[in-house]
Amino acid sequence: AQKITQTQPGMFVQEKEAVTLDCTYDTSDQSYGLFWYKQPSSGEMIFLIYQGSYDEQNATEGRYSLNFQKARKSANLVISASQLGDSAMYFCAMRKGYNTDKLIFGTGTRLQVFP
Amino acid sequence: GAVVSQHPSRVICKSGTSVKIECRSLDFQATTMFWYRQFPKQSLMLMATSNEGSKATYEQGVEKDKFLINHASLTLSTLTVTSAHPEDSSFYICSAIDQADSYTFGSGTRLTVV
Repeated sequence: AQKITQTQPGMFVQEKEAVTLDCTYDTSDQSYGLFWYKQPSSGEMIFLIYQGSYDEQNATEGRYSLNFQKARKSANLVISASQLGDSAMYFCAMRKGYNTDKLIFGTGTRLQVFP
Repeated sequence: GAVVSQHPSRVICKSGTSVKIECRSLDFQATTMFWYRQFPKQSLMLMATSNEGSKATYEQGVEKDKFLINHASLTLSTLTVTSAHPEDSSFYICSAIDQADSYTFGSGTRLTVV
């Protein structure tokens, strides 16, 4: 069965530093998609970045990049130049391949950025 | 970009009553919508997949008679929590796949049953 694992319940980072949030996944599908979302205390889900299983290049979106290591089944999120507004919950999610559009989520990592 | 409007954002209801939560896709047609439940400090758990014009598909362990889902049009899906009890208190959030094949989430509904 598909599974997403985020082993870091909480992370601290100083403003302007980079931080890596870990995500590993388990699937037997060849085609799948990996997402990262940010959830501030208001509860909304903010899409950050996407990586397809066939994408050869690591995805980047502004200060966000995804370190995709397919053989290790990991999809870590790297946030560069952290800002105070980055403090939030971060969820890794996976979309299965062909027969379903369901997204399954990891347990999340709470990131706190301090001055 | 695509927007999914979810209402209400917060609701408090008495135990035994029913509560309806609406999700509308404002600028795209959503053939499929997903309903999630999130307990405090926990992850989003998929409850059901809502398909326009057909019955919803529920995840294992989700009571379909308690969580009624209706997807009567391409822009509206509703979740009704029937005979709510305090243990149903949670954050409920919907999402839809938009025209760019991305997932757009509603802003969520915080339900408190007293």
